[in-house]
Amino acid sequence: QVQLQQSGPGLVQPSGTLSLTCAVSGGSISTINWWIWVRQPPGKGLEWIGEVYYSGSANYNPSLESRVTISVDKAKNLFSLRLNSVTAADTAVYYCARESLSTGFPRYDSWGQGTQVTVSS
Amino acid sequence: DIQMTQSPSSLSASVGDRVTITCRAGQTIDTYLNWYQQKPGRAPRLLIYAASTLQSGVPSRFSGSGSGTDFTLTISSLQLEDLATYYCQQSHATPRTFGQGTKVEIK
Repeated sequence: QVQLQQSGPGLVQPSGTLSLTCAVSGGSISTINWWIWVRQPPGKGLEWIGEVYYSGSANYNPSLESRVTISVDKAKNLFSLRLNSVTAADTAVYYCARESLSTGFPRYDSWGQGTQVTVSS
Repeated sequence: DIQMTQSPSSLSASVGDRVTITCRAGQTIDTYLNWYQQKPGRAPRLLIYAASTLQSGVPSRFSGSGSGTDFTLTISSLQLEDLATYYCQQSHATPRTFGQGTKVEIK
C-alpha cells in the first residue's frame, strides 16, 4: 500500500510562502493517479486545494488559483505545494492524498499524516 | 462548483444503534460519491466509494446507497470506535467538494 509522508515548516510569516512536500513510498508517483492537497482550518471542514498528475499537469481550486502551485518531482517520488501571500486565513492542517482512479471512480485512498501550518509573525 | 450538503450536522446515539447520515448534491453526480471518516487529530479515512462500494478493510457495519443527488451512509450497529466526523465528497467534477461534515457522538 502506498504511504505518504509530509514535511515542511509549521509556522509561516504573513505575506510569506507556505511550502510543503509529500513523499510517496511503496509505489511510484508515475502511475495513473492524481496527487492531491487538501486543507482543514481549525474546527472546520475539508477544502480541496488542487491536484497534480505525474506529467506535471495540475488543477487548482479557483478560490486559490492565483496563489497556489502544485508540482511533482518524479526523480524523488514526491510532490509539493506552494501557497504565496499567506494570511491568517490560510492557517490550517494541510493533508496530501492520492486520488486512485482504478475502477473509474476517483477516491482518496491514501493520506499523509497532516501538517499543522500556522500563519503568524 | 458542486455543493454538497450533509444532515444532520451532529448526532448522538447509543452503542448498537443504527445511524443514518444523508448527503445531497447540488446537481446530479451519478454515483461519484465517497464517504470518509475522520477521528479527532487524525487524517480522513476512506470508507465507501462509488456511493456503495466498501473500501478494503472497512467493517461491514458501514454501508452506502444512493445515486443522482441523494445519498446515505448507514452504520448498522454503532460502536465506540465510530466516534468521528463523517464527510461526503463528490468526485464527479473538479473542484472536488466535500460536505460540511456530520459529527457522531456516543451517548
